Amino acid sequence: GIQVEQSPPDLILQEGANSTLRCNFSDSVNNLQWFHQNPWGQLINLFYIPSGTKQNGRLSATTVATERYSLLYISSSQTTDSGVYFCAVELRDSWGKLQFGAGTQVVVTP
Amino acid sequence: SAVISQKPSRDICQRGTSLTIQCQVDSQVTMMFWYRQQPGQSLTLIATANQGSEATYESGFVIDKFPISRPNLTFSTLTVSNMSPEDSSIYLCSVDLAGSGTGELFFGEGSRLTVL
Repeated sequence: GIQVEQSPPDLILQEGANSTLRCNFSDSVNNLQWFHQNPWGQLINLFYIPSGTKQNGRLSATTVATERYSLLYISSSQTTDSGVYFCAVELRDSWGKLQFGAGTQVVVTP
Repeated sequence: SAVISQKPSRDICQRGTSLTIQCQVDSQVTMMFWYRQQPGQSLTLIATANQGSEATYESGFVIDKFPISRPNLTFSTLTVSNMSPEDSSIYLCSVDLAGSGTGELFFGEGSRLTVL
């Protein structure tokens, strides 16, 4: 099956710092999503980004489908950015079925 | 945007019992999906809940353990049967709100089960 690898596994940031999270996938996919899981376990949609670049406030994401990777940028981090960030891909011929990466645990300290 | 509600949000269960989790969407959706997240782990797809037909299970998950109902286009249930401590997880339902395929998927708030 497809492999979805996220790096780094853990990240500790000081408030105000910038960071980049990476997601590599081993096969062609229909689409890719980034999620933030808050401490209460809720998954928050960040980006639906099968290709190209999108920005939403302090967050932006870029997916290069031909090279099978996606990047999530967090700028001017805040303590509320803490949590686990997951990328998930939808496989071809598998409508709605997401394969998740292992996640990046982010801790933002004051 | 549509609301996806799950009940219960959390529960503590005794070994050997069964618990049914409900997922309600405030708009009609074609496909609903159930995921499991074991402690400290990522999410794994359990099954696809199809309206009008039996659920489709992923490898490693069976109907006897995780029976699923989908009586209409806005509602589904997942039952975790004969629970053991290994079933302690967050269970989440997911839907494609656009209903058009290859669309963005959204998740309910999750149901956190602890089995003693």
